[in-house]
Amino acid sequence: DAMVIQNPRYQVTQFGKPVTLSCSQTLNHNVMYWYQQKSSQAPKLLFHYYDKDFNNEADTPDNFQSRRPNTSFCFLDIRSPGLGDAAMYLCATSRDSSPPTFGSGTRLTVV
Amino acid sequence: KQEVTQIPAALSVPEGENLVLNCSFTDSAIYNLQWFRQDPGKGLTSLLLIQSSQREQTSGRLNASLDKSSGRSTLYIAASQPGDSATYLCAVHGSGNTGKLIFGQGTTLQVKP
Repeated sequence: DAMVIQNPRYQVTQFGKPVTLSCSQTLNHNVMYWYQQKSSQAPKLLFHYYDKDFNNEADTPDNFQSRRPNTSFCFLDIRSPGLGDAAMYLCATSRDSSPPTFGSGTRLTVV
Repeated sequence: KQEVTQIPAALSVPEGENLVLNCSFTDSAIYNLQWFRQDPGKGLTSLLLIQSSQREQTSGRLNASLDKSSGRSTLYIAASQPGDSATYLCAVHGSGNTGKLIFGQGTTLQVKP
């Protein structure tokens, strides 16, 4: 089945230690998104790739970076995780402005 | 700037009740509106998508309505069941060339047996 896959489902990282979350898709969608959802809060868009073009949201901290080496894969890099970065990270994809398809998310714990 | 608000934040009802969840948005220039379900610690499951030209969508016991001019949507759940317990999120899709969504903070529903 075509889908959006996030790995790992659960990630524990140490305070200040760089961590990378991954997302892959078999839908051949040209747009990929990363959302951050803190406990009991709304998912918040961090950034998205339209094809190879990176689009950062205005209030996304510099601590968060992203890479998209090819159409299928997109990575979220957190350079120096703080306790406040503990959250569910949701990857989504879409074909242009079509409704996005979401992955199952990665829950990040910072210790 | 688009803002999405959901009321109430939490709701507890006995099994069998019909219930309504509310979503409001500040900018009526939307492309569509989606309702999602999220189980604890899990990702998002899309329930219903209403295009801006539509007034409502139905799927089984769920009915979502959209009043774009007043900036409101409701999700009606008929004959609630304990398995409906989850957080329900609404999200609006504004104009543009991507599927970017702006989410409300959700309503956490508990249906008691």
